[in-house]
Amino acid sequence: DQQVKQNSPSLSVQEGRISILNCDYTNSMFDYFLWYKKYPAEGPTFLISISSIKDKNEDGRFTVFLNKSAKHLSLHIVPSQPGDSAVYFCAASATSNTDKLIFGTGTRLQVFP
Amino acid sequence: KAGVTQTPRYLIKTRGQQVTLSCSPISGHRSVSWYQQTPGQGLQFLFEYFSETQRNKGNFPGRFSGRQFSNSRSEMNVSTLELGDSALYLCASSPLGTGGTEAFFGQGTRLTVV
Repeated sequence: DQQVKQNSPSLSVQEGRISILNCDYTNSMFDYFLWYKKYPAEGPTFLISISSIKDKNEDGRFTVFLNKSAKHLSLHIVPSQPGDSAVYFCAASATSNTDKLIFGTGTRLQVFP
Repeated sequence: KAGVTQTPRYLIKTRGQQVTLSCSPISGHRSVSWYQQTPGQGLQFLFEYFSETQRNKGNFPGRFSGRQFSNSRSEMNVSTLELGDSALYLCASSPLGTGGTEAFFGQGTRLTVV
């Protein structure tokens, strides 16, 4: 049972445009959500997170939106840069005394010039 | 501050053997989690340790085990290796162990079972 889903395995965006990566979840106990960026043969790097008490969190070019009623979150990257090309993972946690993360299967973002 | 360190980086083992992977968390972090990444499967949660106690375990067979030491360093062990155990094994540490904070990942150990 995949509790966190990233339905788009890949996304291709032109440099300078907006990249929108989507993530859906099924477990209503999740109250903390994170996005990680990953290059091959490396560990994931934390990008941005959001608590369920918020609906938006912004950090530079990265903004995460949370729609609790739809159990949906999205990551916006504006403007997209070639260095953003990587696999992006959405993760969720039910934070009651645990750091356990449930990950989606990832979306490969390619930003072309 | 040093990041999460995993050793070894690469490992080749034969079916039926056992393997031990090591993880040193960021200094001061008390929570350590392990994940398995295989192609197309994303990152699958293996187990979580806090103060030398296993707090959570993922849906993996009993061949997968782990432990945490008093200095927060952690090891995971896989016995009777199978070809399907070939994967990138990732360790993550978190500062408080109470949830609600980001986890910091090591570079992983690439295990190949032949």
